[in-house]
Amino acid sequence: DVKVTQSSRYLVKRTGEKVFLECVQDMDHENMFWYRQDPGLGLRLIYFSYDVKMKEKGDIPEGYSVSREKKERFSLILESASTNQTSMYLCASSSWTGVVAGELFFGEGSRLTVL
Amino acid sequence: GQQLNQSPQSMFIQEGEDVSMNCTSSSIFNTWLWYKQDPGEGPVLLIALYKAGELTSNGRLTAQFGITRKDSFLNISASIPSDVGIYFCAGLFQGAQKLVFGQGTRLTINP
Repeated sequence: DVKVTQSSRYLVKRTGEKVFLECVQDMDHENMFWYRQDPGLGLRLIYFSYDVKMKEKGDIPEGYSVSREKKERFSLILESASTNQTSMYLCASSSWTGVVAGELFFGEGSRLTVL
Repeated sequence: GQQLNQSPQSMFIQEGEDVSMNCTSSSIFNTWLWYKQDPGEGPVLLIALYKAGELTSNGRLTAQFGITRKDSFLNISASIPSDVGIYFCAGLFQGAQKLVFGQGTRLTINP
């Protein structure tokens, strides 16, 4: 069964802390994405990556960075967490050769609370 | 960043009722997709549409790719409790891998 695994379901951090959100996929997908989900705003793209060591900014990259050192792993980093980064974070992956063009496979999400 | 206009934002219905939701955009898409997010889970693909005017069904779900290629519709017939969740539309441009999402429709069903 195909799987995208996010390292933590729930995190509570303090303002100013550095936060790492890890995502691993076992489908050998080329593309990986980090989204933020907030009520009424839907899914907003933070960063994405089409290949190892490549990254591109999405719609809301400010305050975030990413790392993709291996094909299966895509990490989201909050250098100095702020309260307005309290949110649900969703990782997803896709393949250029997938059956359905553009189909994303999502992890279960990581709910981050910044106090 | 660009987003699709999805409506309604929320729906409260009785079990057994039919549900309709839609998504509009100022841009033309080559593919429309509909996802469902169950509570506590990530979104999962329900239906994909590839051609203007296309009507596709998946069980009690029916989706349509608008003729103008700027909109899409999702209908759920005879709703059941497991239909509860958030439904997202998404559009894909030609040759792209980055989806544009709607704001979501939260469906609540009273038994």
